Amino acid sequence: EIVLTQSPATLSLSPGERATLSCRASQSISSYLAWYQQKPGQPPRLLIYDASNRATGIPARFSGSGSGTDFTLTVSSLEPEDFAVYHCQQRNTWPRTFGGGTKVEIK
Amino acid sequence: EVQVLESGGGLVQPGGSLRLSCAASGFIFGRYAMSWVRQAAGKGLEWVTTISGSGDTTYYADSVKGRFTISRDNSNNALYLQMNSVRAEDTAMYYCAKISGSLEGWFDSWGQGTLVTVSS
Repeated sequence: EIVLTQSPATLSLSPGERATLSCRASQSISSYLAWYQQKPGQPPRLLIYDASNRATGIPARFSGSGSGTDFTLTVSSLEPEDFAVYHCQQRNTWPRTFGGGTKVEIK
Repeated sequence: EVQVLESGGGLVQPGGSLRLSCAASGFIFGRYAMSWVRQAAGKGLEWVTTISGSGDTTYYADSVKGRFTISRDNSNNALYLQMNSVRAEDTAMYYCAKISGSLEGWFDSWGQGTLVTVSS
């Protein structure tokens, strides 16, 4: 099973600041990584797929990069609605696995 | 508009059974693989199971293999999760998720979830 480790667990930032979230895989997953955003009481929403492609309707301030074992989600300038939990997920192998999540909170 | 709507959650005793349903609309259901993903309160996401569009291929997490069964009815745009021999650790919000294509896709649409509580 591929283990995804997200860091940091919590990121405290102010609106307008840049957020950089990390996801590291226990073995190479090529570019088969997605990022999801989840707000309290809501289901996750697909943000980024195949490491760097924005899903439909996702603003350009969200970007993803990386391949192999190290991946990054960047939010260039945080908007108030971006404070949420972010999950990474791999589809390189079964079972599908998620990271533990990074909470981006208002500082 | 793609929509998936879960139902069937509730309180069940350890060792009991429960059947979850997911009603889908807004897309050609039989063309897409579907999954169940769960989330215990305050915890991360856990993939549970996936079924192909035709229903002939399924995958399960080790934690549920042999106890849970995923199935689908393409004529009625419905997905199911039969949960048997449930345990306390199965307590979670269960999400139905559409996959963006075949089995090798992403969870691109999610329902609001249905809560399963396993307790005596």
